[in-house]
This record gives sequence, C-alpha cells and structure tokens, in this order.
Amino acid sequence: DGGITQSPKYLFRKEGQNVTLSCEQNLNHDAMYWYRQDPGQGLRLIYYSQIVNDFQKGDIAEGYSVSREKKESFPLTVTSAQKNPTAFYLCASSLARTDTQYFGPGTRLTVL
Amino acid sequence: GQQLNQSPQSMFIQEGEDVSMNCTSSSIFNTWLWYKQEPGEGPVLLIALYKAGELTSNGRLTAQFGITRKDSFLNISASIPSDVGIYFCAGLTGTSYGKLTFGQGTILTVHP
Repeated sequence: DGGITQSPKYLFRKEGQNVTLSCEQNLNHDAMYWYRQDPGQGLRLIYYSQIVNDFQKGDIAEGYSVSREKKESFPLTVTSAQKNPTAFYLCASSLARTDTQYFGPGTRLTVL
Repeated sequence: GQQLNQSPQSMFIQEGEDVSMNCTSSSIFNTWLWYKQEPGEGPVLLIALYKAGELTSNGRLTAQFGITRKDSFLNISASIPSDVGIYFCAGLTGTSYGKLTFGQGTILTVHP
C-alpha cells in the first residue's frame, strides 16, 4: 500500500534529551513537511523540504532540526532546546510544492 | 503566521441533519482543501478544490471554491455518527511554496 508512515505512535522522553521522529513515504512525492498540533489548535509548520538535501524553516522551527538525505524519508529531531515539546507531530507530503498534501498518522510526544 | 477564519468553531447536531461550515480569508488562494481529523489520527483529505467557483462532491460531502477565491464552504448532508471529528480547511497560494494555511477547525458532534 502507498502512504505515509510515522513511528513511533507514542513517544516519551525525559527533559533534556533529544528525540528523533521518523517519517517515511512511498508515494514518490518530492515535498515533505512537519507540523505540530497542540490541543484545540490548528497545525503549525515546523520545517519543509521541496527536494532531497534541501529544507526550509517553517513558522516554529526553533528547537527542531531535520534532514532530507533520501526522497522517501524526512526525520525530525526535537532537541532539548525546544521549550514545550509535548505535542502531536504530523508529517505530510505532496507531489510538488503547490500540490495537495497528504498526512501521516502522527506521533504523540510526551516529555516527562 | 496567517490563519484562515473558520466557522463555526463547534457544532452539536442530531443524526440526519445537514451541516455547513466555511472558511474566509483576506488573501486570495489558488487551492482550497478540506480535511477531517479523528482523535489521535492524522488529517484525512476529503475534498480538494483548484478553480474559483468549483463545486465538488465526495459522497455526502460537497465543497465549493468561492468565486472571489477568498472563501470556501463544506456541506455534509444527512449526517451520521461516524461524521464526528474535527474538520479543517486549508489554503495554498501561488507563492506559498507548499505552505498550507489552516483554519482553526470545526469540531462536529453528532447525536444518534
């Protein structure tokens, strides 16, 4: 089946630790995105990548880092510099930068 | 960042009733998207609109791309309990480089 997978579904980390969230797609999409969703709020863009080895900061990039070494993979690292990391993280992809975005199932990160 | 004005924020309806929600913006968009999100899951694309004035249906769902390109509407006919969830509108401009602008979401509750 084609689609976007995110792992793990639930993630717990201690304060001060970095953690990496996985996002993989087999849709042959060029563009990939990371969003953060907090309770009762809409989605806010963290980082996006239009092509391999290139990515740009979104609206709330501070405390996060990404890499795009392969077309199908766009991992997100939540660093210890992120002040409020507990949230629901969503990955998305699209065929090109102006195309419809499709979302993965999300990872819920909780900082203990 | 900019957000779309989505209304209503929440709706409580009886099974069988029709539902209407809308999104407005001060900016012009080239694409309007409607997503549904269930608790703990990623948003699922319902309808994509690419042309001003376009009216598109997907089963009991109908959405329209406003003629001014600054608004969009989603209607659900004959609601059923599984329609429960959060409905988001999202827009793409020609210069947004794939960055979606989201509405705040409409929480729909359907009473059997």
